[in-house]
Amino acid sequence: GAGVSQTPSNKVTEKGKYVELRCDPISGHTALYWYRQSLGQGPEFLIYFQGTGAADDSGLPNDRFFAVRPEGSVSTLKIQRTERGDSAVYLCASSYAGLGGGNEQFFGPGTRLTVL
Amino acid sequence: KNQVEQSPQSLIILEGKNCTLQCNYTVSPFSNLRWYKQDTGRGPVSLTIMTFSENTKSNGRYTATLDADTKQSSLHITASQLSDSASYICVVSAQDSNYQLIWGAGTKLIIKP
Repeated sequence: GAGVSQTPSNKVTEKGKYVELRCDPISGHTALYWYRQSLGQGPEFLIYFQGTGAADDSGLPNDRFFAVRPEGSVSTLKIQRTERGDSAVYLCASSYAGLGGGNEQFFGPGTRLTVL
Repeated sequence: KNQVEQSPQSLIILEGKNCTLQCNYTVSPFSNLRWYKQDTGRGPVSLTIMTFSENTKSNGRYTATLDADTKQSSLHITASQLSDSASYICVVSAQDSNYQLIWGAGTKLIIKP
């Protein structure tokens, strides 16, 4: 595709529910990143995929958060038993290989998650 | 601790004026520094990427400078336009990571007509 796409653009859910957020990276980009961004802050790293494997998931806040990328392209961020504190914009980005050497990272528009 | 600090937190200027945004970092060992523009409700878009050996880089009306000795960077916007209203985020990467970026909190810039 022309850019990174994310669906849905907005998601409102109730506390305790399960949500899935989808990211379609740029075709051919092997690296994929998930971030969470709160109002007035820079993006906070969650997880990094190189191909199908999660190379670093140290940014996931707890075991309610999980992400997969089974075929090395589309990724899904899954949040179980959502809490009000999970409300944020979830950003996905992709790059050709990793970011070494100054490779550029391209971001999607984000999914705004609101937990009531 | 690796950190990126930006100033000012917010800035309001009149259309047509110039402005400069500041970024100080303590990331080591340094690899490169990026400036992103983030419009409200959108993902960040890269403006410039500078490595250790580069001390200035331009992208249209945007000019970024880097002083690796003092660990400071600035983003200068010339002849501002209403469409420049956005958050500008300074991001630094370290040599020992191929994917981790250290993000600043951003400067929220508002251009008034």
